[in-house]
Amino acid sequence: DVKVTQSSRYLVKRTGEKVFLECVQDMDHENMFWYRQDPGLGLRLIYFSYDVKMKEKGDIPEGYSVSREKKERFSLILESASTNQTSMYLCASSLAGGRGHTEAFFGQGTRLTVV
Amino acid sequence: AQKITQTQPGMFVQEKEAVTLDCTYDTSDPSYGLFWYKQPSSGEMIFLIYQGSYDQQNATEGRYSLNFQKARKSANLVISASQLGDSAMYFCAMRKTGKLIFGQGTTLQVKP
Repeated sequence: DVKVTQSSRYLVKRTGEKVFLECVQDMDHENMFWYRQDPGLGLRLIYFSYDVKMKEKGDIPEGYSVSREKKERFSLILESASTNQTSMYLCASSLAGGRGHTEAFFGQGTRLTVV
Repeated sequence: AQKITQTQPGMFVQEKEAVTLDCTYDTSDPSYGLFWYKQPSSGEMIFLIYQGSYDQQNATEGRYSLNFQKARKSANLVISASQLGDSAMYFCAMRKTGKLIFGQGTTLQVKP
């Protein structure tokens, strides 16, 4: 079974803190994604990585950065957390395009509250 | 820019009836993939069905089928014989050159 694991289910952080959200996948997938999910807005792509050390900005990268030093791990970093970053964060991974069925597999999500 | 639009925030359907969830997309690239996911109240994301832009036939997976109209840029999900367990949020998504973007979602409630 494909497994995507996010390090925390719930997090509470203070405004201004640096926050790390970790995601690990065990299926040797090339692509990894970070989304945030807010009511009425669906899933919005923050960053996408297609290989180690490679990344692309998604639709809402402001206030976030990412790190992918190893193929299986993709970290989302909030440099200075703000209350408007309170949200559900979802990590996903998939095979690269053109290599068969390329649906994304998701982690269980991290509910981040910034106070 | 790529865009996915789901115009139905909420839908109701009677148990055992069929329901169609709408999805339109916008891309100028000829090569792309379209997906539908289900998110029950537990929060997990469950992959339902996939349609490639070059596929000639509409995709089907059990009670799920994808009504793919390429010229209209629509990829509607049809659920036949609705069950109470189909009550969930449904997301349409498009993948192009690896990047995967989602629509706003539609909440489906199945009435007994």
